[in-house]
Amino acid sequence: GAVVSQHPSWVICKSGTSVKIECRSLDFQATTMFWYRQFPKQSLMLMATSNEGSKATYEQGVEKDKFLINHASLTLSTLTVTSAHPEDSSFYICSAPPGRLITDTQYFGPGTRLTVL
Amino acid sequence: LAKTTQPISMDSYEGQEVNITCSHNNIATNDYITWYQQFPSQGPRFIIQGYKTKVTNEVASLFIPADRKSSTLSLPRVSLSDTAVYYCLVGDPRNTGGFKTIFGAGTRLFVKA
Repeated sequence: GAVVSQHPSWVICKSGTSVKIECRSLDFQATTMFWYRQFPKQSLMLMATSNEGSKATYEQGVEKDKFLINHASLTLSTLTVTSAHPEDSSFYICSAPPGRLITDTQYFGPGTRLTVL
Repeated sequence: LAKTTQPISMDSYEGQEVNITCSHNNIATNDYITWYQQFPSQGPRFIIQGYKTKVTNEVASLFIPADRKSSTLSLPRVSLSDTAVYYCLVGDPRNTGGFKTIFGAGTRLFVKA
């Protein structure tokens, strides 16, 4: 089946630094990718929709200047957490639909654990 | 996107059949019902999807009544490795130019030996 990868799988950084997380579709092209954030014992929260060749669409309450999204190619989207703070520590997950058929579902990456000290 | 309601948690024993019901009273005509499974520190994994009646695959069955206001995920003969969070999602894959997926709270299934 379709595979989505994320890199890194975990990262620890100091407060105030920026962290980049990559999301790749390995065997299909994705014009759209989605970024989620998940806190412990909570559900996934959609942060933004990454669109290849255009600006990302952010969900209400998500700071676009804080979470920079770049979808430069049909197989890669990146999420950069700028000036990270401890409250940004979370599990970040990306997903992508492999096609445009009505029965296509999203495939999720394995997630990236971000810890900000 | 239709709002979904699931039980917060469920317990079961190995070898039993587990049925998790999801309510989606405001489901729209073009909406499909999709279930995902998530293990700790992993991304969600697709289990099954359906539109009406019954769908079965190698891991689960999905029962959808005629009014489509609810659906039931059935896991036959669960094992310890089925302990996970199960999410029910409802939406039209054709919307928004991509398949924007909004997750509800999910159901934590705990399988005991």
